[in-house]
Parts: sequence; C-alpha cells; structure tokens
Amino acid sequence: GAVVSQHPSRVICKSGTSVKIECRSLDFQATTMFWYRQFPKKSLMLMATSNEGSKATYEQGVEKDKFLINHASLTLSTLTVTSAHPEDSSFYICSARDQIETQYFGPGTRLLVL
Amino acid sequence: AQSVAQPEDQVNVAEGNPLTVKCTYSVSGNPYLFWYVQYPNRGLQFLLKYITGDNLVKGSYGFEAEFNKSQTSFHLKKPSALVSDSALYFCSGGYQKVTFGTGTKLQVIP
Repeated sequence: GAVVSQHPSRVICKSGTSVKIECRSLDFQATTMFWYRQFPKKSLMLMATSNEGSKATYEQGVEKDKFLINHASLTLSTLTVTSAHPEDSSFYICSARDQIETQYFGPGTRLLVL
Repeated sequence: AQSVAQPEDQVNVAEGNPLTVKCTYSVSGNPYLFWYVQYPNRGLQFLLKYITGDNLVKGSYGFEAEFNKSQTSFHLKKPSALVSDSALYFCSGGYQKVTFGTGTKLQVIP
C-alpha cells in the first residue's frame, strides 16, 4: 500500500524557536497533502490543504503566518511552526491523497514546546 | 455543509463476538466514504473505502463496511473481534474536502 513518512517523529524545542516537519509520499505522487492537528481527546483538526506549486489553503482560525506550509514537489510538503509556544504542543499528522481520492497518513509528529 | 458523525465515543465487545462501529454521513453529491484505524501515538491507517459499486466493501484485517444510502450510514463491521483490534477508528467522507468523524474507541475484551 501507499506509504507516507513524517520526520521527525518527536521534537522538543524551546519557546520562541521554529520547528520544521517534513511529510513525504514514498511510493506515489501527491498533488495534494493535508496537515492535521490531533488533540488529546482524539479529534482531528484539519489545519490546511497543501497543493503542489501553489499556496496552501488554511482552515478558519489557523494562522498562516504561524504555520508555514510549503509543497515543494509532488512528494514533499513541509510544515514550519514559527515562534513556537507551549500551546502549540500537539500531535501533528500529515496525509497525502492519491489519484483515486484516498488519503494516506504519516505516522505523526509529537511536538513539545517548553 | 457536509458532516460525518460517529455517535459512540467507545464500543466494548468481547473477543470473538461480532463488532460494529457506527458512522452516518451528510455529504453533497456522491459520497466518498472511508474508514481509518489509529493505534496509540501513530498516524491513521487506511482500512477501506466506498466510492461506487457494491454496497458491501471489504477492507484490511477482515473489516468490512456497508454503504446504506437510505439510512446515510457506513457502519464498520467485523464478524469476530480480536483483542488486537482495540484502537481508535475514524470514519470520513467527502470529495476534495474530507470531513472526519470524532472517532470511536474500540475496546475488545479478552
């Protein structure tokens, strides 16, 4: 099946620093990737839709200047959390959509901001 | 606006018994419906999907789901539950823009 990788799997950083998370589709090309945030009570929140070669589409309430998304190629999207604060601590999950509308998810990145 | 509902936060079932995890949807046009499973501290794994064709869809790990247009449901089922099936299950639906349900925790009791 389709494989999506995410790196790093876990990151701890100081408040005020920036963190970059990479999402790669390993065996298929994805014109569209998605970034989610998952809260402790389990719900998935869609943050943004990342389209190769164009600007990301952010969901309402998500600050685009804080969560920078770059979809540089058909297999790579990055999420940069800028000037991270403790409230940004969360589990971030990416997904890549294949040609027949199925999303495949990365393993997630646990971010802890001290 | 489209929506996907999972009415049960948690489902408990004894090992070896059949299991059902419920999902109802409200999406415009032809529904694209999916089931995913999530194990602790992991991403979501694709189980199965319905786009068109037979209403009964078979997926990974012995799971299946039945698309019921009249009831706008897409319940996940398995004839005989395993302890290893214990996890968080998400239903999702939509084309282009996908909406996820809030998840159902399945607990299979030995």
